[in-house]
Amino acid sequence: QVQLQESGPGLVKPSETLSLTCTVSGRSISPYYWSWIRQPPGKGLEWIGYVYSSGNTNYNPSLKSRVTISVDRSRNQFSLKLTSVTAADTAVYYCARLDGSSLDFWGQGTLVTVSS
Amino acid sequence: EFVLTQSPGTLSLSPGERATLSCRASQSVSSSYLAWYQQKPGQAPRLLIYGASSRATGTPDRFSGSGSGTDFTLTISRLEPEDFAVYYCQEYGNSPKLTFGGGTKVEIK
Repeated sequence: QVQLQESGPGLVKPSETLSLTCTVSGRSISPYYWSWIRQPPGKGLEWIGYVYSSGNTNYNPSLKSRVTISVDRSRNQFSLKLTSVTAADTAVYYCARLDGSSLDFWGQGTLVTVSS
Repeated sequence: EFVLTQSPGTLSLSPGERATLSCRASQSVSSSYLAWYQQKPGQAPRLLIYGASSRATGTPDRFSGSGSGTDFTLTISRLEPEDFAVYYCQEYGNSPKLTFGGGTKVEIK
């Protein structure tokens, strides 16, 4: 059974960089696609991007200029960096495995609040 | 930009009733790339249906998916108490590469 766990600061100041890590257990991170999704409080889901285990990435055009997703195969982890954050980036951030065209395993999510 | 529109926004039904949820795409979608998720309060979404009509592991057979082109449907044949939740459709392949619908909340009447 694949398990994912998000980790990182729960509070980030405006204009700073949000950094989260997802640790994958129960399965090697290779050869799969791994994704980040977010959900503002009380709202719907927004796909942020994905990374393949080789390091290839694809991002949501609406966030592309501020997002970097990377993978660390040695640690079985992948990470999200979102720069120049504002209050609009306050959300629960989920990591998930992309299997083909759907997201079959998800982390529990972590709330990140952007506030000074 | 590709958009998925879910309707209705809220569905008020009683346990035992049939639920029909709609997901409409702004352009034609390959059935292979349409999925449905269930999300309960405070939980991560859970994959229910992939490939428009294939049940994911652990999905009860009262859940069924259908549709093609731009119109897709998730049907819950008889609502159980644990089925009251928010449901999202999701498409893969357009731009953005992965898109979610706005969700349908199934609430107890």
